[in-house]
Amino acid sequence: KAGVTQTPRYLIKTRGQQVTLSCSPISGHRSVSWYQQTPGQGLQFLFEYFSETQRNKGNFPGRFSGRQFSNSRSEMNVSTLELGDSALYLCASSLSPLAGGHNEQFFGPGTRLTVL
Amino acid sequence: KNQVEQSPQSLIILEGKNCTLQCNYTVSPFSNLRWYKQDTGRGPVSLTIMTFSENTKSNRRYTATLDADTKQSSLHITASQLSDSASYICVVTPDLTFGKGTMLLVSP
Repeated sequence: KAGVTQTPRYLIKTRGQQVTLSCSPISGHRSVSWYQQTPGQGLQFLFEYFSETQRNKGNFPGRFSGRQFSNSRSEMNVSTLELGDSALYLCASSLSPLAGGHNEQFFGPGTRLTVL
Repeated sequence: KNQVEQSPQSLIILEGKNCTLQCNYTVSPFSNLRWYKQDTGRGPVSLTIMTFSENTKSNRRYTATLDADTKQSSLHITASQLSDSASYICVVTPDLTFGKGTMLLVSP
């Protein structure tokens, strides 16, 4: 069974631009979560989607948004990029929502975003 | 404010030795506590998931403990191997508050 895939793996953008990252979950998984990882802050939860609905949202500005398609694939968009948005963006999939659930979560390799 | 504190920040041990990593949390409500291993340049991999009622759970050479009263968890690694060199991250759900991780280096 294929793992979680993320595209692109690396991305360089300039301030003010917008970016879209893509995540394909493990087949059969309907929950997709997104995370930002930086050396200073570590891993931080962005949002979770389940069956095309946002289930949970972290403490990030509205410039960060996402969506999930009927095939469970998910995209994350960041508008008006800032230097501080440079980070590794990870997505993870699981069978069911994380809240209250005990299903294992599988992470993708991440997209390394650099904002110049 | 919900917080997850991990200690030590970094650790170097000799191959074959044991070590214990700590995770203290002040998160409420609590659903479960998860430990992940993250190799450099890769996504985290799940090691254990512990619910409120579980005190100990093992996964090969990894043993996690949870004390829900004191809100403390530990991850014990037995007979360390070079491949154990990684960052170990603790996270509490449902809030999804992450610790900043412990960087472990196993030296030959």
